Amino acid sequence: DAKTTQPPSMDCAEGRAANLPCNHSTISGNEYVYWYRQIHSQGPQYIIHGLKNNETNEMASLIITEDRKSSTLILPHATLRDTAVYYCIVRVRNTGNQFYFGTGTSLTVIP
Amino acid sequence: KAGVTQTPRYLIKTRGQQVTLSCSPISGHRSVSWYQQTPGQGLQFLFEYFSETQRNKGNFPGRFSGRQFSNSRSEMNVSTLELGDSALYLCASSLGTANSGNTIYFGEGSWLTVV
Repeated sequence: DAKTTQPPSMDCAEGRAANLPCNHSTISGNEYVYWYRQIHSQGPQYIIHGLKNNETNEMASLIITEDRKSSTLILPHATLRDTAVYYCIVRVRNTGNQFYFGTGTSLTVIP
Repeated sequence: KAGVTQTPRYLIKTRGQQVTLSCSPISGHRSVSWYQQTPGQGLQFLFEYFSETQRNKGNFPGRFSGRQFSNSRSEMNVSTLELGDSALYLCASSLGTANSGNTIYFGEGSWLTVV
């Protein structure tokens, strides 16, 4: 399974864009990049996923480099409610729905 | 559409007892997976069920078991509880097709405290 590397913590000013990086240098061709977040004491919440192209939804944008070795999750206008641990996950191919969570990035949005 | 529902939300058990946790997946989802989350080990995959069959299993002892019913609802059981089993147990569901693009959705979890 491809491993991911994320910074342990980041701060972001409220109203600014939060850019969360993730390295996945051993990613395979058919493996997707997923992002989840977990607010304290709650279940992880799905944010977005992508394979090769950049993706955008109502929550965030996902930018994947051309070589697919890294990606960035962008929260365009961070709010205090975005304070959470963000997990970048590379989905292992052909293993059903088994996800490997790392330690994630603890994002603190500062007023 | 209702999300993933887990019961109970909180429970306290004594060492040596056993516990059963329940999960109702999102309607139409056929795959249910279970995860354990502790401060020391983070989120760890326990097992996954699809069409009443265990499809994947993580690296946990045999005291941890599960099953899935014909309506896709799932239960997990932990026997002979140990203090280290205190954790947040999370259930996630998905449509279940075994391809990389299948998104899983989590419930709010069951907090288990073993005393």
